[in-house]
Amino acid sequence: AQTVTQSQPEMSVQEAETVTLSCTYDTSENNYYLFWYKQPPSRQMILVIRQEAYKQQNATENRFSVNFQKAAKSFSLKISDSQLGDTAMYFCAFIHHFGNEKLTFGTGTRLTIIP
Amino acid sequence: GAGVSQSPSNKVTEKGKDVELRCDPISGHTALYWYRQRLGQGLEFLIYFQGNSAPDKSGLPSDRFSAERTGESVSTLTIQRTQQEDSAVYLCASSKGDRWETQYFGPGTRLLVL
Repeated sequence: AQTVTQSQPEMSVQEAETVTLSCTYDTSENNYYLFWYKQPPSRQMILVIRQEAYKQQNATENRFSVNFQKAAKSFSLKISDSQLGDTAMYFCAFIHHFGNEKLTFGTGTRLTIIP
Repeated sequence: GAGVSQSPSNKVTEKGKDVELRCDPISGHTALYWYRQRLGQGLEFLIYFQGNSAPDKSGLPSDRFSAERTGESVSTLTIQRTQQEDSAVYLCASSKGDRWETQYFGPGTRLLVL
């Protein structure tokens, strides 16, 4: 079974600064998908960004971008110009393209944006 | 369009009672998932539906847990004879079909068993 590791249980950063959340995963396959989800105190999981492993270009969504290092099996999330509304739990998730296994989540990083 | 909705938002029950949690997926999404999230923890997979059938029930923690889906739409998660360790947020997600499609989550139901 694949594993997803988020080594930073908690992080905090000043508003307007840039922060990077780390995620590593373990697989021997080539075709897979990676996701970052955000879970604010309202508890709804919101998709932040999705990356297909076959795409070399790093995915971006406004202030959110990823650094996808396939050889290193690393998938970090960069939040630029952080805002108070970015305060949330952030979960990294992984699934293979082929096969029947489920979407696997990391244990999450609690990010606090300090005003 | 409308997102995934879940009801009730919060549920308080007494130990030993049965509860039903409801999920309305995004219209046209054939795949539906249930997860459990205990306080301060990550997501624990419970069950996956493709249409009305459940090819993967591997995450259901005991035979007190069951789920069904009808009309390729609404799903109900039932917990019988609730225990205090069942207290958690139950999240539902839906996606277009294939397991690698993006899952969109509902707001969850917070269950508290006294």
